[in-house]
Amino acid sequence: GAVVSQHPSRVICKSGTSVKIECRSLDFQATTMFWYRQFPKQSLMLMATSNEGSKATYEQGVEKDKFLINHASLTLSTLTVTSAHPEDSSFYICSARGSGRVSDIQYFGAGTRLSVL
Amino acid sequence: ILNVEQSPQSLHVQEGDSTNFTCSFPSSNFYALHWYRWETAKSPEALFVMTLNGDEKKKGRISATLNTKEGYSYLYIKGSQPEDSATYLCAFTNSGYALNFGKGTSLLVTP
Repeated sequence: GAVVSQHPSRVICKSGTSVKIECRSLDFQATTMFWYRQFPKQSLMLMATSNEGSKATYEQGVEKDKFLINHASLTLSTLTVTSAHPEDSSFYICSARGSGRVSDIQYFGAGTRLSVL
Repeated sequence: ILNVEQSPQSLHVQEGDSTNFTCSFPSSNFYALHWYRWETAKSPEALFVMTLNGDEKKKGRISATLNTKEGYSYLYIKGSQPEDSATYLCAFTNSGYALNFGKGTSLLVTP
């Protein structure tokens, strides 16, 4: 299957700093990438969808100025949590899908555990 | 937000037992149902994408069925092995893009 690499796997930062998370498709071109967030004992929740070269589409309740998404190439998307606060502490995970049928598989990274002190 | 329910929340079986989990989802505007297997500290691994009512798919000892009219899918594992221990996620989509996940079923298989 296709491989998606996500870095870092864990990050601890001070309140007010910004954190960048990278998501790379290693062996396929990802025309669409997705960013999810998971709080403890909850399900994965979609934050935003990004298509290469376009602005990301954010889900209701997700602040686009706080969670900056860049999908500048077919193999890389980044999520920047700006001015992180303790309530942003969560598990963030990306997925990627190539072109083709919309029912095609989304391939996931291994996730990033963000802890904001 | 589309409600996807998975049951049971967790399951503990002995090696060799067969087991099954349930995923229920909205029966209207169905597009696809995905099953993933997720081991701790690893990427979720896609098991199945199911699109048609009555679909049955199989991958080794794991199989899944789909009923879109009543809004449920079953995942079966035959002869569970310790390496099957993982969280099994189902995800429903009515658009082909956004996946709406359940909370998962955590399976532990002990020798």
